[in-house]
Amino acid sequence: DGGITQSPKYLFRKEGQNVTLSCEQNLNHDAMYWYRQDPGQGLRLIYYSQIVNDFQKGDIAEGYSVSREKKESFPLTVTSAQKNPTAFYLCASSIGTGEETQYFGPGTRLLVL
Amino acid sequence: GQSLEQPSEVTAVEGAIVQINCTYQTSGFYGLSWYQQHDGGAPTFLSYNALDGLEETGRFSSFLSRSDSYGYLLLQELQMKDSASYFCAVKRNTPLVFGKGTRLSVIA
Repeated sequence: DGGITQSPKYLFRKEGQNVTLSCEQNLNHDAMYWYRQDPGQGLRLIYYSQIVNDFQKGDIAEGYSVSREKKESFPLTVTSAQKNPTAFYLCASSIGTGEETQYFGPGTRLLVL
Repeated sequence: GQSLEQPSEVTAVEGAIVQINCTYQTSGFYGLSWYQQHDGGAPTFLSYNALDGLEETGRFSSFLSRSDSYGYLLLQELQMKDSASYFCAVKRNTPLVFGKGTRLSVIA
C-alpha cells in the first residue's frame, strides 16, 4: 500500500536536546511538507521541499531544520533553539508543490519533559 | 499576505444538514480545498473547487464564489462519525495555506 509513515508516534524531549522526526513516503511524490499543529489551531507550515536536495522555509521555520537527501524521506529536526516544541507534527506529500491534494502521515506528538 | 476565516465551532443534530463557511483573502488564488481531521488523526482531503459553483461528492458538497472570496462545505444527513475538524485551504502556486479549522460536533 502506498502512503506516508511517520515515526515515532510519541516522542519525548529533554531540555536542550535535539530530536529528529522521521517521514517516509512511497507515493513517488516530489513535494513534501512539515506542519505543526497546536490545540485548536490550524496547520502551520514549518518547511517544504519541492525536489530532492532542495527545501524552503515555511511560516515558522525558526528552531527547526530539515534535509531531503532522498525523494522518499524528509526528516525534521527540532533543535534546542525551539523553545516551545510541544505540538503535533504532521508530514505530508503531494505530486507537486502547488497541488490541491496533500496526503498526510499519522503524525508525531512531541512532548517536552 | 493571505488570511482565511472559518467559524471555530459548529454543533448540529444527527441527520441534519450543516454548512461550514470559509472566507479568504489572498493573491494568486487558484482554488479552495477542504480537509477533514478526526481527533488525533491525519487530515484527509475531501474536495476541491477551482471554478464557481457546487461540487458534490456523496453526502458532502463544496461551493465556491471567486467574486465573493467565499466558499462553504455542506454536509448532509449528518452522522456521528462526521464529528471532526474541517479545514479550508487556499491553493496558489506555493504550498496550500490552511485555515484554523472548524470543529463540528454532531449530537443525537
